[in-house]
Amino acid sequence: KAGVTQTPRYLIKTRGQQVTLSCSPISGHRSVSWYQQTPGQGLQFLFEYFSETQRNKGNFPGRFSGRQFSNSRSEMNVSTLELGDSALYLCASSSGQGGYGYTFGSGTRLTVV
Amino acid sequence: QQQVKQSPQSLIVQKGGIPIINCAYENTAFDYFPWYQQFPGKGPALLIAIRPDVSEKKEGRFTISFNKSAKQFSLHIMDSQPGDSATYFCAASNSGGSNYKLTFGKGTLLTVNP
Repeated sequence: KAGVTQTPRYLIKTRGQQVTLSCSPISGHRSVSWYQQTPGQGLQFLFEYFSETQRNKGNFPGRFSGRQFSNSRSEMNVSTLELGDSALYLCASSSGQGGYGYTFGSGTRLTVV
Repeated sequence: QQQVKQSPQSLIVQKGGIPIINCAYENTAFDYFPWYQQFPGKGPALLIAIRPDVSEKKEGRFTISFNKSAKQFSLHIMDSQPGDSATYFCAASNSGGSNYKLTFGKGTLLTVNP
């Protein structure tokens, strides 16, 4: 059974640019969640999607957005990048019950210069 | 507002020792408490989880102890090995609620010396 696949693994962007990260969940999982991981703040919840609907959003500025497609694949977008957006962005998939049975991908390491 | 507090931030033990990592939560609506293990360059992996209707759960060398009245739970690693060296995160969620997220502690960096 394939795990959660995140692409790309590494990204270097310049301040002011925008970036799109991709996540393919485990087959059959309809919930996809995104987290930002930094040394200072730890794992912070960004948003959760289930069957193409955003069910919850964390406390992040509107520059952070996401979407989910009919095949459950998800993308997140960060516009007008800031230095502080440098982080590991993790995607997790599950069957959909809150927080239960999350499987994380290996993440996308974003560096903003 | 940090809803799950984890301690210690780092921990060093000798091989065979029993490291203990503690977490405390505030939200009484939480009813699912997983622990995750993360190695460098990898995403967190679910290690073991507990619900508040039991006070202890064991899976192999890993044990969760849960104290509902104190709103605390802890992870014990029996006969620790150098391969257990990783960062450990506790988390909590309201699995039947409508916020659909895990709230994580800040993590504990465990080093097991040979």
